[in-house]
Amino acid sequence: GNSVTQMEGPVTLSEEAFLTINCTYTATGYPSLFWYVQYPGEGLQLLLKATKADDKGSNKGFEATYRKETTSFHLEKGSVQVSDSAVYFCARSQGAQKLVFGQGTRLTINP
Amino acid sequence: GAGVSQSPSNKVTEKGKDVELRCDPISGHTALYWYRQSLGQGLEFLIYFQGNSAPDKSGLPSDRFSAERTGGSVSTLTIQRTQQEDSAVYLCASSDQQGVAYGYTFGSGTRLTVV
Repeated sequence: GNSVTQMEGPVTLSEEAFLTINCTYTATGYPSLFWYVQYPGEGLQLLLKATKADDKGSNKGFEATYRKETTSFHLEKGSVQVSDSAVYFCARSQGAQKLVFGQGTRLTINP
Repeated sequence: GAGVSQSPSNKVTEKGKDVELRCDPISGHTALYWYRQSLGQGLEFLIYFQGNSAPDKSGLPSDRFSAERTGGSVSTLTIQRTQQEDSAVYLCASSDQQGVAYGYTFGSGTRLTVV
């Protein structure tokens, strides 16, 4: 099928820790891949994206690399901050216009 | 407008009542989407409008759900005879004709509570 599977949360880390949130997908062809972030009380925002294999998306210190061989798009950040506390959604494109989302991972960073 | 605007931001309704949720997309965006975010779950696709084409209604969970988009701009999602399982955050998003590879812009959502 066509789905996105994310690391289950919640994830709790201390400030300055290294972050990885795993995401794998199933799809026919080569979809575009995305990470969206939802800060408390706000709507979803596009964090980063990659449109083809081996592309690396990056923004605000976060990175994710499109790995075709492992069908993965893991989100990483070297040193998290309290302000990174949010829910993170991995997504893949379906066709030219639709997105399929994972279930979301709640991240809490403690000072 | 500058962003995707949804109203109301919160709605509490009694079981069995009808509700209408409104979405005002970014001006000029031709594609409009409705998703549902239930507690502890991911985003569930409901319906998609692209320009003047027939909408993709494949995600609507039952015939109690319907949506329209007037004049290629504002959209209304209607839920008839609401049930408690309809309680969720309903998110609207829009994108321009360049397609999903450039991402969606989401509104802040309408939190619907059916009591």
